Amino acid sequence: DAGITQSPRYKITETGRQVTLMCHQTWSHSYMFWYRQDLGHGLRLIYYSAAADITDKGEVPDGYVVSRSKTENFPLTLESATRSQTSVYFCASRDRVYSGANVLTFGAGSRLTVL
Amino acid sequence: AQSVTQLDSQVPVFEEAPVELRCNYSSSVSVYLFWYVQYPNQGLQLLLKYLSGSTLVKGINGFEAEFNKSQTSFHLRKPSVHISDTAEYFCAVGPLGSGGYQKVTFGTGTKLQVIP
Repeated sequence: DAGITQSPRYKITETGRQVTLMCHQTWSHSYMFWYRQDLGHGLRLIYYSAAADITDKGEVPDGYVVSRSKTENFPLTLESATRSQTSVYFCASRDRVYSGANVLTFGAGSRLTVL
Repeated sequence: AQSVTQLDSQVPVFEEAPVELRCNYSSSVSVYLFWYVQYPNQGLQLLLKYLSGSTLVKGINGFEAEFNKSQTSFHLRKPSVHISDTAEYFCAVGPLGSGGYQKVTFGTGTKLQVIP
């Protein structure tokens, strides 16, 4: 199916465990993003990637690791989960913009609970 | 730097009544403006965007927004809401420019609750 797919949709884990959230897009978009959504904060950017093997920090990168070995995949790893990382995580993508607005396309989200 | 303020965290409105969701922004450069909608348990979808030209922008599902540069506002309106409009609405701003990374800043969201 065309689009942007996140997995798992729901995950419960314990403090200190490693968790990886997967993101896959079928459009060959250059840019991919990870956001977290928390009440009262809206969406905050964790990491983004401009292309395969190019990643950079967003507003709230601490405690997260990303990689992008292939254009279509952009996994987000919590190396040692903490309760403060309980959140809904959204992956998004867009193509390279030469003119016009940089409209993002979002996945359905991954709800993570850290006990 | 840029920022977005959505003044109302929740807006209850009766079905078929009009609604306005408020958004103010600040930026040191010229910007694009967006409204995204998030239905329950779904990701965000683009509702409408303002790039340039006419300050009144029409989007999907009967929504429209008006760009007001002097007041740095981009309020979203609908003349008659339906139950299906119950969702969270996010205003967002991104800098004009070409190529490279262009940071999009999101507001904290407004939950629209349509009451039957």
